[in-house]
Amino acid sequence: AQTVTQSQPEMSVQEAETVTLSCTYDTSENNYYLFWYKQPPSRQMILVIRQEAYKQQNATENRFSVNFQKAAKSFSLKISDSQLGDTAMYFCAFIPYAGNMLTFGGGTRLMVKP
Amino acid sequence: EAGVAQSPRYKIIEKRQSVAFWCNPISGHATLYWYQQILGQGPKLLIQFQNNGVVDDSQLPKDRFSAERLKGVDSTLKIQPAKLEDSAVYLCASSVNRVGEQFFGPGTRLTVL
Repeated sequence: AQTVTQSQPEMSVQEAETVTLSCTYDTSENNYYLFWYKQPPSRQMILVIRQEAYKQQNATENRFSVNFQKAAKSFSLKISDSQLGDTAMYFCAFIPYAGNMLTFGGGTRLMVKP
Repeated sequence: EAGVAQSPRYKIIEKRQSVAFWCNPISGHATLYWYQQILGQGPKLLIQFQNNGVVDDSQLPKDRFSAERLKGVDSTLKIQPAKLEDSAVYLCASSVNRVGEQFFGPGTRLTVL
């Protein structure tokens, strides 16, 4: 079974600053996908960024980038130039390439302060 | 493109009553998921459909929860009878395939009194 751990229940950052959210996972699989999802207070979950485990290059989407350390089983999310609209719950998630179940971490509540 | 639709948005029932939730996925998405999200936690997968077949229901409490996707399009999730611990947000999601990006609906917030 896979587990995903987010060790920071809550974080805050000043607008325009950079913040990094942590995620670690445990698996015996070699091929898998990792995701960061954002859930704003309105509750609808949206995908922020996705990483394939076989790719060594870290994924980047505009102000969002990841630091994927496969050996350490670590997958952190960096948000640059934080904006008020980034305030949300952020969930790290894992799915084996040959599996079915997307496993979520417990989430990190991020507050961007003006 | 229309997103994943869910209804109702909110539901309050008493314990031992029955409740049903409805989900209409994005057109063309073969895979449909139901998640339970208890306050302060990440979503937990209850059941996954591929077209109208069940792929994974290992975490579905089958003594009280049931789900169907008869025509491979929309889906219903039912709880009968409800317990206090079923209070949660029930999220529906769909994807083109098993490992594709999952698109989530707005969820149904269930309160069991």
